[in-house]
Amino acid sequence: SAVISQKPSRDICQRGTSLTIQCQVDSQVTMMFWYRQQPGQSLTLIATANQGSEATYESGFVIDKFPISRPNLTFSTLTVSNMSPEDSSIYLCSLRLGPHEQFFGPGTRLTVL
Amino acid sequence: DQQVKQNSPSLSVQEGRISILNCDYTNSMFDYFLWYKKYPAEGPTFLISISSIKDKNEDGRFTVFLNKSAKHLSLHIVPSQPGDSAVYFCAASDSGNTGKLIFGQGTTLQVKP
Repeated sequence: SAVISQKPSRDICQRGTSLTIQCQVDSQVTMMFWYRQQPGQSLTLIATANQGSEATYESGFVIDKFPISRPNLTFSTLTVSNMSPEDSSIYLCSLRLGPHEQFFGPGTRLTVL
Repeated sequence: DQQVKQNSPSLSVQEGRISILNCDYTNSMFDYFLWYKKYPAEGPTFLISISSIKDKNEDGRFTVFLNKSAKHLSLHIVPSQPGDSAVYFCAASDSGNTGKLIFGQGTTLQVKP
């Protein structure tokens, strides 16, 4: 496994602002992912963060709203842009170490007022 | 279109008894299945997995059963302990599709002392 940390752990933001969430891993990993868990809902994949190239976004998610950076094999950021109350969620990064299993960070709980 | 479904939002079990959590899927391309446990304010923790070439995988108190013809899997926890109280998510992966995980809605398990 790997140690995964996220910053911030939680935040309360105003509508129309942006928040950047950081994900740090203690070892080099090829595939990192960003998920969202809206209140009472399941985990939904936002995008796959590829090192050295642009992120691959899932249907319903766009780069302008959720820009992602992946400058190296141990770090990634997700920005939630121009936030609205509907963006209130837990945002999670994960990494894949084996062929299938993904391991998750502790999550960032975002509340948008 | 919910490809992975956990139809029971909650389950309550007495300590020492068996907990059975169920999951159904619709996509026949899924070939790997995983269970995660999630405590409040933490990220999901990988629990156990099973490949579609097997029908059972056991790890200590946890056993996952897969019925491919019924597109159904279940997680058995025996004996259940109060510390098992958490939200359990099943997830499915299609190896030919970058190994993305599709999650069910989750089942909240409460184990009563």
